[in-house]
Amino acid sequence: QQQVKQSPQSLIVQKGGISIINCAYENTAFDYFPWYQQFPGKGPALLIAIRPDVSEKKEGRFTISFNKSAKQFSLHIMDSQPGDSATYFCAASMASGTYKYIFGTGTRLKVLA
Amino acid sequence: ETGVTQSPTHLIKTRGQQVTLRCSSQSGHNTVSWYQQALGQGPQFIFQYYREEENGRGNFPPRFSGLQFPNYSSELNVNALELDDSALYLCASSLGQGDSPLHFGNGTRLTVT
Repeated sequence: QQQVKQSPQSLIVQKGGISIINCAYENTAFDYFPWYQQFPGKGPALLIAIRPDVSEKKEGRFTISFNKSAKQFSLHIMDSQPGDSATYFCAASMASGTYKYIFGTGTRLKVLA
Repeated sequence: ETGVTQSPTHLIKTRGQQVTLRCSSQSGHNTVSWYQQALGQGPQFIFQYYREEENGRGNFPPRFSGLQFPNYSSELNVNALELDDSALYLCASSLGQGDSPLHFGNGTRLTVT
């Protein structure tokens, strides 16, 4: 119940294309869903986050779509660029208790020039 | 505003030894969390400190321990190192509790031989 399942494990996209990464969760107590971007040798950096009271959030080229009934959320990267090549992690937490993040297993994105 | 800084960046230890990793939280942040990231995996929650008290613990044995100091900096101590402890150890700080986003440092790469 504490797991967050992420897919695909790896993704190759042409420059200018749309990258889509999906995550699913079981615990309905989760109420905060961030996405992190991690470059080699660096720590994860917050990209965008959403709460379950909205179905979509957009920041620049990055959009989170959230489906509360299906317990799924996804990250869309529009106009993907080679500089977006990194590993992306979804996560979930709940606004009570320890507020620990449960991370997905990551998606390695490569954007071809 | 300085971000989260961790030291050392790399460390090699022998099985059975003890190690201390250090973290300075982002300015103004009073909560520190530690995560273990094995190669190719998402970060796993170790524990969190809030106002110098442990505020939740993940599924890690007691040989993983920590401290938070009055200036909100933190230490992670691991005793009796095992080969499986080889990983990237990430420190993250946040403002208060609740769903304040986690800001990660670049981690300490620990190798146990």
